[in-house]
Amino acid sequence: EAGVAQSPRYKIIEKRQSVAFWCNPISGHATLYWYQQILGQGPKLLIQFQNNGVVDDSQLPKDRFSAERLKGVDSTLKIQPAKLEDSAVYLCASSSAGGVSEAFFGQGTRLTVV
Amino acid sequence: QKEVEQNSGPLSVPEGAIASLNCTYSDRGSQSFFWYRQYSGKSPELIMSIYSNGDKEDGRFTAQLNKASQYVSLLIRDSQPSDSATYLCAVKGGYQKVTFGIGTKLQVIP
Repeated sequence: EAGVAQSPRYKIIEKRQSVAFWCNPISGHATLYWYQQILGQGPKLLIQFQNNGVVDDSQLPKDRFSAERLKGVDSTLKIQPAKLEDSAVYLCASSSAGGVSEAFFGQGTRLTVV
Repeated sequence: QKEVEQNSGPLSVPEGAIASLNCTYSDRGSQSFFWYRQYSGKSPELIMSIYSNGDKEDGRFTAQLNKASQYVSLLIRDSQPSDSATYLCAVKGGYQKVTFGIGTKLQVIP
């Protein structure tokens, strides 16, 4: 079974530029999560999709971050414009339906904003 | 109050000892509880899940859950240097939201 795929693995941009991350979840997984992990901290949930609908985006900085999940499969997370404090690893995870199913993570995208 | 609380550590144990990692959570409606291991520069990987009160053992790992006290723990027996990593406690609550703690850094000293 293929895992969660993310790209790119690394990205360096200047502040005020825009950037986009892509995630392809495990086949059949209805739930998709985007997390931001700043060095030394635990993953912070940015947005959660159930199929192509948003379940939770309470911690997404909506003035600069946006995300979509077309057709309930792939997802993109965009930052525009980026700030220095956005430097972090962006993790995508997916999970099958059901309260006991665990989340599987992709390799993450390390973003550096200079 | 944070939703999921862990001591950030570091927790240092000698090789062969038992490492005990603890986690508390605030949402009484939480259904599922997970321990993830994260090596430096890598993504979290699941090592244990637990859903019912009591203990669950898998090899050298034992997860313990006490819903009345809102407490989850992970015991690692016969700790090895390869166990040195950050251990993340995760809690799944309503609408399948998965919330993570800050993680406890474990150092196993040879």
